[in-house]
Amino acid sequence: RKEVEQDPGPFNVPEGATVAFNCTYSNSASQSFFWYRQDCRKEPKLLMSVYSSGNEDGRFTAQLNRASQYISLLIRDSKLSDSATYLCVVNQEGYQKVTFGTGTKLQVIP
Amino acid sequence: NAGVTQTPKFQVLKTGQSMTLQCAQDMNHEYMSWYRQDPGMGLRLIHYSVGAGITDQGEVPNGYNVSRSTTEDFPLRLLSAAPSQTSVYFCASSTGQAMAFFGQGTRLTVV
Repeated sequence: RKEVEQDPGPFNVPEGATVAFNCTYSNSASQSFFWYRQDCRKEPKLLMSVYSSGNEDGRFTAQLNRASQYISLLIRDSKLSDSATYLCVVNQEGYQKVTFGTGTKLQVIP
Repeated sequence: NAGVTQTPKFQVLKTGQSMTLQCAQDMNHEYMSWYRQDPGMGLRLIHYSVGAGITDQGEVPNGYNVSRSTTEDFPLRLLSAAPSQTSVYFCASSTGQAMAFFGQGTRLTVV
């Protein structure tokens, strides 16, 4: 089993839709969690950290479920500009053990 | 406001050649790292550094060397390029465990 798994998609959704991605991780000792966004042929950019109590940043909501070992990202009112690949990142044992998921591709359609 | 600067953006090497990928950051970040990104595999950590003079291996260190003589610079050296090293390489820096800033990447092809 991969340490961090994501559905590669693509998720094709109309503008204005709500879309959610999940990311599962295998190591129950994982300490911290993040979502990144990566546009085609560009560098990843940190979107948001994921806190135990869940957190929100505008149209984006991140949640952590330690019992089931997954994190989620919810995007409300999707915009065309949200089209990108979303990477899940899990930090397992301090700085040296940061694992990226392979990403979930989102395409928002007019 | 340069952030993280990587050079070159593109490079083609012949098998067996060596080269250095440059990475510099102007944010006084302690943490710097090198990743490679291959299709279907996500980003994988090659080497990282938690400060000047301190480096350590990541998940896929073989065939690569790094040094960190200053806070700003973290070059990645390919000792003897192999086709398996064809990839996109990203340098990143941060003050914490989330890599907040990535360079624009180097697309390397080894023929």
